[in-house]
Amino acid sequence: NAGVTQTPKFQVLKTGQSMTLQCAQDMNHNSMYWYRQDPGMGLRLIYYSASEGTTDKGEVPNGYNVSRLNKREFSLRLESAAPSQTSVYFCASRKETGGGGYTFGSGTRLTVV
Amino acid sequence: EDQVTQSPEALRLQEGESSSLNCSYTVSGLRGLFWYRQDPGKGPEFLFTLYSAGEEKEKERLKATLTKKESFLHITAPKPEDSATYLCAVWNSGYSTLTFGKGTMLLVSP
Repeated sequence: NAGVTQTPKFQVLKTGQSMTLQCAQDMNHNSMYWYRQDPGMGLRLIYYSASEGTTDKGEVPNGYNVSRLNKREFSLRLESAAPSQTSVYFCASRKETGGGGYTFGSGTRLTVV
Repeated sequence: EDQVTQSPEALRLQEGESSSLNCSYTVSGLRGLFWYRQDPGKGPEFLFTLYSAGEEKEKERLKATLTKKESFLHITAPKPEDSATYLCAVWNSGYSTLTFGKGTMLLVSP
């Protein structure tokens, strides 16, 4: 199983540009999540989707939008990138039933200049 | 608001020198506590889930324990390949998301 796949792995954007980070899972998990990880700040939740067709804001949603395209895919969009959005972005999924932990992707390292 | 505090922020050990990492938490209704390992440039990798005070889980040189206020990750006779950042997270019974601590960076020298 591939688990959780994120694309791209690296990206450099100019301020004001837009882009979409892609995430797909093949484990038939119901819940999917987007986190950002910054030095000294830990993992912070941006948005999540508890099930197909639903999305909710997390701790740091400003400047981002999400789409739960289907059960497998959950994308994160930056409409107008800012240097403060330079970070490593992780997508995760979770079965939910049984309370298991997250399965994380390998991350997207984004630099906004 | 749920809070998770990990200590120390960084820990350097000699190979074979056992120690413990701490995760203290404040949560209104703990449904589960999770430990993850993260290697540089990679996503966190799931290690353990603990659900109730008194529970213990083991995997190779790692042993996780849980009380009503904190969890410990004990590392027995560590090896250089145990070097990583260890993350702790709590699951609040009222939410479907996890709250993470900032992690402990462990370096084991040969």
